[in-house]
Amino acid sequence: GAVVSQHPSWVICKSGTSVKIECRSLDFQATTMFWYRQFPKQSLMLMATSNEGSKATYEQGVEKDKFLINHASLTLSTLTVTSAHPEDSSFYICSAEREPDEQYFGPGTRLTVT
Amino acid sequence: KQEVTQIPAALSVPEGENLVLNCSFTDSAIYNLQWFRQDPGKGLTSLLLIQSSQREQTSGRLNASLDKSSGRSTLYIAASQPGDSATYLCAVDPGTYKYIFGTGTRLKVLA
Repeated sequence: GAVVSQHPSWVICKSGTSVKIECRSLDFQATTMFWYRQFPKQSLMLMATSNEGSKATYEQGVEKDKFLINHASLTLSTLTVTSAHPEDSSFYICSAEREPDEQYFGPGTRLTVT
Repeated sequence: KQEVTQIPAALSVPEGENLVLNCSFTDSAIYNLQWFRQDPGKGLTSLLLIQSSQREQTSGRLNASLDKSSGRSTLYIAASQPGDSATYLCAVDPGTYKYIFGTGTRLKVLA
């Protein structure tokens, strides 16, 4: 089966610092990866679409300068939360697209900003 | 704008009971609908994927149905077990490969 990993699984950082989250497709190549955010007791919301070799496409209301996405290879996309604040604390999940209608989700990363 | 709603928000049932989780969506123009399971603090596990041309999918004790015209999907869990306790999410793909998620149903199966 297709496996997507995320690293780290959880991270605590101080307000004002930046944190990078990795999303890897372990056994397939993914031209497209997606980043979702889930606040407590809320649904998952798509943040951005990450395309290998090109700029990410951000959903309305998501600050592209704050959430930097880099999809440098067909198996790796990174999300960097810059100058993190407590309100950025959330559960971040990525998914990778193996085929146009096949998305596989990572296990998620819990970010806590103190 | 597509909106996905799940009812009930929370459900507590005794072990062995058959149960139905509901998902409704406002725009019937969907590519597929998927049911996920999420354990506390964990990622998503895909349970069943229903393409827009399909009416239902089955996997073990799980059966998901899709009625596009009425904007509804149901997830049927037979003979529930404590291990089924989790949050169940439905999500629709409107054809852009970008899923729109419901808020989930938190299920607790009591031993």
